[in-house]
Amino acid sequence: KAGVTQTPRYLIKTRGQQVTLSCSPISGHRSVSWYQQTPGQGLQFLFEYFSETQRNKGNFPGRFSGRQFSNSRSEMNVSTLELGDSALYLCASRSTLPGLAGSSYEQYFGPGTRLTVT
Amino acid sequence: DAKTTQPNSMESNEEEPVHLPCNHSTISGTDYIHWYRQLPSQGPEYVIHGLTSNVNNRMASLAIAEDRKSSTLILHRATLRDAAVYYCILSAPQGAQKLVFGQGTRLTINP
Repeated sequence: KAGVTQTPRYLIKTRGQQVTLSCSPISGHRSVSWYQQTPGQGLQFLFEYFSETQRNKGNFPGRFSGRQFSNSRSEMNVSTLELGDSALYLCASRSTLPGLAGSSYEQYFGPGTRLTVT
Repeated sequence: DAKTTQPNSMESNEEEPVHLPCNHSTISGTDYIHWYRQLPSQGPEYVIHGLTSNVNNRMASLAIAEDRKSSTLILHRATLRDAAVYYCILSAPQGAQKLVFGQGTRLTINP
């Protein structure tokens, strides 16, 4: 079974621009989460989507948004990029939400998208 | 979010057992304890999770204190490939979750 894939793997953008990152979860997985990783702040939760609905959100400004499609693929968008947005953006998928039938607590992470803002 | 405390770094030798500690004194009665690890230049990788009882899988064992205020991840026979940052995380039992990663423990394995 193919793992979580993220595209692009590397991206360079200029301050003020916007960017869209894509995540394809493991086949059959319905939940997708996004995380930001920086040397200073470590790994921080952005948001989680399940059945095309945002179920949980971290403490990030409204410039960070996401969505999930009916095939469970997800995108996240960052508008008006700032230098501090330079980070590794990680996507994680799991079969369903804990507590639901067939659920698993394991989250499977992709390799990430390295975003550099200049 | 309940907080976890881990040593910043640990070092061990290849083929020896490794015990990675985690303190979580404010854990709630229903929080699960998860361990993930992140190898260099990769996304985090699930290792193991548990609630109250000790757990074993092909990668590691998780020993949970009786009062649940601490836990220990045990790698029975470390290899060079186990060199990574190990994260101990608490999460709610149901519904949408966010994994709150701390700084983790950087494990170095000496050949």
